[in-house]
Amino acid sequence: DAGVIQSPRHEVTEMGQEVTLRCKPISGHDYLFWYRQTMMRGLELLIYFNNNVPIDDSGMPEDRFSAKMPNASFSTLKIQPSEPRDSAVYFCASSQFGTGANIQYFGAGTRLSVL
Amino acid sequence: QQQVKQSPQSLIVQKGGISIINCAYENTAFDYFPWYQQFPGKGPALLIAIRPDVSEKKEGRFTISFNKSAKQFSLHIMDSQPGDSATYFCAARVSGADGLTFGKGTHLIIQP
Repeated sequence: DAGVIQSPRHEVTEMGQEVTLRCKPISGHDYLFWYRQTMMRGLELLIYFNNNVPIDDSGMPEDRFSAKMPNASFSTLKIQPSEPRDSAVYFCASSQFGTGANIQYFGAGTRLSVL
Repeated sequence: QQQVKQSPQSLIVQKGGISIINCAYENTAFDYFPWYQQFPGKGPALLIAIRPDVSEKKEGRFTISFNKSAKQFSLHIMDSQPGDSATYFCAARVSGADGLTFGKGTHLIIQP
C-alpha cells in the first residue's frame, strides 16, 4: 500500500484566499484524522471521521475551517478565508478498527504558508 | 490546557548512550500511550506503545516505562545511534475516544 497520501505537499497562498488540502487514506481504514502541527502548539487534533462520518470536530479552531469526507477514499480540509496564523503543517492520518483503532498512520503532511 | 507534558524540549546524546524522554499526564481517563518518531519532512510514525496495565514494554532498543500512580511515562533508547536523531512525541488517548493528544515533542540529536 502507498500509505496515506496528502496533496499538495506545499501550499503558499495570500491572506483571504481559500485553501483546500486533500487526503487519501489507506485502503480499508475506517478512521481518518486531521492534525495541525506548529512550533508553538505542537500536534493538535482538528477533527476525525469514522466511516466517513465526523465524530469529533472540537479541535477545529473556528468556522473558517471545514472538513468533509465524501467517501472512504477521500477527505478535504478547507480554510476560507485563510489567515497568516493558519500557517502550519497539516497532517492526515488513518487507522483501522480491529487494530484497536490505535495505530494511526500519518501522511507526509501539507506545509501551508499564508502570506 | 496541555494535557500531556513532555520534556526535555531538546536532547543531545553521544552515540552508544541512553536517551531518555519523559512525559506526564493529568487525565486518568487516558488508556493508551504511544510514542511517535518523526524525521524532517515526514509524518510521525508509531514507534512503540503501552497500556496502563503494564509497567514496561520493550521492543529492541526502545523501552517504555510507565508509572500509573505518578501519571508518568518515559521512552528509553538504549545504545543510541545517529539514525535515531529525530523528533519524538509522546501521546495519549482517552478511553472510548479515538483522537490522540500529543506532547510538544523532543528534538533528539545523537552525536557520532
